Amino acid sequence: ETGVTQTPRHLVMGMTNKKSLKCEQHLGHNAMYWYKQSAKKPLELMFVYSLEERVENNSVPSRFSPECPNSSHLFLHLHTLQPEDSALYLCASSHIRGSTGNTIYFGEGSWLTVV
Amino acid sequence: TQLLEQSPQFLSIQEGENLTVYCNSSSVFSSLQWYRQEPGEGPVLLVTVVTGGEVKKLKRLTFQFGDARKDSSLHITAAQPGDTGLYLCAGERGGATNKLIFGTGTLLAVQP
Repeated sequence: ETGVTQTPRHLVMGMTNKKSLKCEQHLGHNAMYWYKQSAKKPLELMFVYSLEERVENNSVPSRFSPECPNSSHLFLHLHTLQPEDSALYLCASSHIRGSTGNTIYFGEGSWLTVV
Repeated sequence: TQLLEQSPQFLSIQEGENLTVYCNSSSVFSSLQWYRQEPGEGPVLLVTVVTGGEVKKLKRLTFQFGDARKDSSLHITAAQPGDTGLYLCAGERGGATNKLIFGTGTLLAVQP
């Protein structure tokens, strides 16, 4: 139990569906992240929210839409995905205090399969 | 693009053997973190090294940050089956967003 909870753990969706991934952190952190982990590729940072404002968007397609309603919750809204979007989506949080050495805590991930 | 290359990509060893995993980059990082990820789980932080040349020990695991802060190594002594997992290094760029660049990963299997 890392203090970062993701739901659902597994999701299968068709290319025309709309679904959302949810993340909740119980650590009092001020930053939250979405990462994508695909087979044979390094973890890819998708979005960063700091103090509920999006501060990073790494050229992610618009079919992925993040939402951060407060510092404890983060959503990833999914629509018209492609099969190549199938991956493990990891949420993470951290408390940004200084310029270095900040620890990031990951959730257990949501396995997404697009059919 | 800041790339972190890990080697080897895959490693299968017998219980009790020693091993070293390397993490190399041409870029300088403000810190270097090592994570272990087990199947079906998210990565869990093992250690953070910040100072060039720094060595940290965590039981049978020894982590070293290169003098120039571009590379790092993880040495495991007398590996156990419980060490099995995906080992990821991640370089921190510093700045306001705490952005980590992850390495390509090393999948370790320790056979009993």
